Amino acid sequence: GAGVSQSPRYKVAKRGQDVALRCDPISGHVSLFWYQQALGQGPEFLTYFQNEAQLDKSGLPSDRFFAERPEGSVSTLKIQRTQQEDSAVYLCASSLDSTEAFFGQGTRLTVV
Amino acid sequence: AQSVTQPDIHITVSEGASLELRCNYSYGATPYLFWYVQSPGQGLQLLLKYFSGDTLVQGIKGFEAEFKRSQSSFNLRKPSVHWSDAAEYFCAVGAPTGANNLFFGTGTRLTVIP
Repeated sequence: GAGVSQSPRYKVAKRGQDVALRCDPISGHVSLFWYQQALGQGPEFLTYFQNEAQLDKSGLPSDRFFAERPEGSVSTLKIQRTQQEDSAVYLCASSLDSTEAFFGQGTRLTVV
Repeated sequence: AQSVTQPDIHITVSEGASLELRCNYSYGATPYLFWYVQSPGQGLQLLLKYFSGDTLVQGIKGFEAEFKRSQSSFNLRKPSVHWSDAAEYFCAVGAPTGANNLFFGTGTRLTVIP
């Protein structure tokens, strides 16, 4: 595609609900990153994939967060039993050679 | 550990005035350095990046940044600001090896007044 596409753009979840956020990277991009951006903050790294392999998940804040990229293209970030502190914008980025990351518009998650 | 400091939370400049946004980083070696811009409700757009070589790098939209190793700084500049430059600006560092996931500063919000 022309850019990184994320869906949904906005998600409101009740506390305790599970959510799934989708990322369609730029076609052919090997690397895929997820970031969390809290209100008024810079993005913080969550996890990294190279093709289908999740090589770094050190930024995932708890075991309620899970990401996958089963075929090395589309990725899904899943949050189980959402909490209010999970409210943030979740950004996906993809990269061809790890020297420049292209970001999607993000999914704004609000947990009520 | 990597860290990025953007000491100015909010800057207001007049249209046509010059701009400098500050960024200081902490890293064990020379990192990759980036400036991104984020407009409301939008993702991050890369303005420019520095990997090696000439320490003055040119980016899009008339922006430039200078890497100063002795000061661990990578300040962003623009000689004449346009109203459309109003946005949030993020400085980021990445490791030159491995995944190169980025560490971002907290951002500087730029307001442009007519």
